[in-house]
Amino acid sequence: EADIYQTPRYLVIGTGKKITLECSQTMGHDKMYWYQQDPGMELHLIHYSYGVNSTEKGDLSSESTVSRIRTEHFPLTLESARPSHTSQYLCASSEYRRVPNTEAFFGQGTRLTVV
Amino acid sequence: AQSVAQPEDQVNVAEGNPLTVKCTYSVSGNPYLFWYVQYPNRGLQFLLKYITGDNLVKGSYGFEAEFNKSQTSFHLKKPSALVSDSALYFCAVRDQAGTALIFGKGTTLSVSS
Repeated sequence: EADIYQTPRYLVIGTGKKITLECSQTMGHDKMYWYQQDPGMELHLIHYSYGVNSTEKGDLSSESTVSRIRTEHFPLTLESARPSHTSQYLCASSEYRRVPNTEAFFGQGTRLTVV
Repeated sequence: AQSVAQPEDQVNVAEGNPLTVKCTYSVSGNPYLFWYVQYPNRGLQFLLKYITGDNLVKGSYGFEAEFNKSQTSFHLKKPSALVSDSALYFCAVRDQAGTALIFGKGTTLSVSS
């Protein structure tokens, strides 16, 4: 089992609230990602990072922001949650510098509901 | 830009029968291909990958996949399906720049007893 953890697993929050989804990995991976997935649907890349102080936007436009201050930590923040943000958010990590084209390992996901 | 197509939304097989889940890809340069499985309310679990070498790749839980460069395909196979194989399967590709994994839309596999 991969050592990548997401908290919380489930979150129900009111419109307008600020939220941070946590993601941590203990594998020392350089690269980390955030994907958004509606239930049973495809994954869309929203953010990724090559390492500390690196953040990039993915293919899907998102109102969220990310930071990478430490290698193992890649939190995602929504400044003002809206019902359209309701979705599952999956965090992943992979090697990059040593082995650039290897597989990514995924966390269990955070299912966010904004009411 | 790279892309992945999974032409079947759902595949239904009987337990004990062979299964195939199809995937085709489009990428510039050499492809790096992956299969993942997702159970309800869970993250994705890595099954297998093709980076280079033999076209037939073996992975977890008895799954294998065949890389076909001329047909740009990477179909997932298993000789004998189990009911517990029922899940959502994703094919993914990474380009040579190694930017990120691009996923297909997923195929729901349903194995009946």
